[in-house]
Amino acid sequence: NAGVTQTPKFRVLKTGQSMTLLCAQDMNHEYMYWYRQDPGMGLRLIHYSVGEGTTAKGEVPDGYNVSRLKKQNFLLGLESAAPSQTSVYFCASSGTGRKGEQFFGPGTRLTVL
Amino acid sequence: AQRVTQPEKLLSVFKGAPVELKCNYSYSGSPELFWYVQYSRQRLQLLLRHISRESIKGFTADLNKGETSFHLKKPFAQEEDSAMYYCALKDGNNRLAFGKGNQVVVIP
Repeated sequence: NAGVTQTPKFRVLKTGQSMTLLCAQDMNHEYMYWYRQDPGMGLRLIHYSVGEGTTAKGEVPDGYNVSRLKKQNFLLGLESAAPSQTSVYFCASSGTGRKGEQFFGPGTRLTVL
Repeated sequence: AQRVTQPEKLLSVFKGAPVELKCNYSYSGSPELFWYVQYSRQRLQLLLRHISRESIKGFTADLNKGETSFHLKKPFAQEEDSAMYYCALKDGNNRLAFGKGNQVVVIP
């Protein structure tokens, strides 16, 4: 099993450009999450999904959109990138229940110039 | 809303010395606490969860509901313990709230 994978690993964008980050998991997990990691800020939840076809806002959703058309995939979109969105983005997935551990992807390092 | 506080950003310890990373939380419900570790340029991985009451890589953490704390401890630090450590609290919707993290540097 590959676990949680993310593409791309690195990306440089110019202000105003758009892009989509792809997260895929092969563990049949119901829940999926997108976080951003910034120095001194820890990980902050952007959006999450509790199942196929559902999405919900997290702590810092502005400037991002998400879609969960298939259970195994969770897409994060930036419609008009801004320098403030320079960050490392992590995707995670988890099963349901009390012991549902979140498994993380390797991260995508995004720079917006 | 839940909140997780890790007061120290950077902790430097000598090899063989004890390590303690502090974590305090605020949450109105029944807390579920975790410690995640991130080694250099790697993904986050689960280190400990309070419900398991286990010791992993020599680390332990005890949930103290009276003090609303979940401090991480290891009696003898090793060089391979150098990493970023995050305390996290899971809410009733399976969402994790993370602290800001502790960078641990173990000096040989």
